[in-house]
Amino acid sequence: QKEVEQNSGPLSVPEGAIASLNCTYSDRGSQSFFWYRQYSGKSPELIMFIYSNGDKEDGRFTAQLNKASQYVSLLIRDSQPSDSATYLCAVSTASKLTFGTGTRLQVTL
Amino acid sequence: GAGVSQSPRYKVAKRGQDVALRCDPISGHVSLFWYQQALGQGPEFLTYFQNEAQLDKSGLPSDRFFAERPEGSVSTLKIQRTQQEDSAVYLCASSLYEQFFGPGTRLTVL
Repeated sequence: QKEVEQNSGPLSVPEGAIASLNCTYSDRGSQSFFWYRQYSGKSPELIMFIYSNGDKEDGRFTAQLNKASQYVSLLIRDSQPSDSATYLCAVSTASKLTFGTGTRLQVTL
Repeated sequence: GAGVSQSPRYKVAKRGQDVALRCDPISGHVSLFWYQQALGQGPEFLTYFQNEAQLDKSGLPSDRFFAERPEGSVSTLKIQRTQQEDSAVYLCASSLYEQFFGPGTRLTVL
């Protein structure tokens, strides 16, 4: 079992819809959770981080954390073509980040 | 303010050559990380510095890989006797808490 699991996609959503990206992790000791966006040929860009159970909203993005279920998600409202990218879930344990393989999101016109 | 910078952005090496990859972190960031990203995969942790101290090098794949940060700022990742399997993008990140990534160095070993 991988430490951080994501569906590789592609996840295709129409413009204006909500995109839902999911991630599960295996280490119950993990404390902090991050979502990075990575465009093709570029480096990861931090979108959101969350430490506590529940929801955290920032603009069109909402991160959700459920430590009991070891589950993290990212919702993108009003999806735009510019949101088309790979979304990486990362879990922090002893400072270092462990990444999933990423979910490729395609927002169609 | 400037972000994390890395050089060179691209490096082509013949198998068996030594390479050195440089990372300039965000000013004031105490922690510095190196990751390796293969095509279609997420970044994988290599090593971590807090100031000049290398606190974790558990991700370095072999003793051909060596990293240093002698003055607690700029860091260099050195790969000796490069092999084809070393071909990847090498990412540097710096942090106070959240990690911010540089543009990466794409290494191709022929």
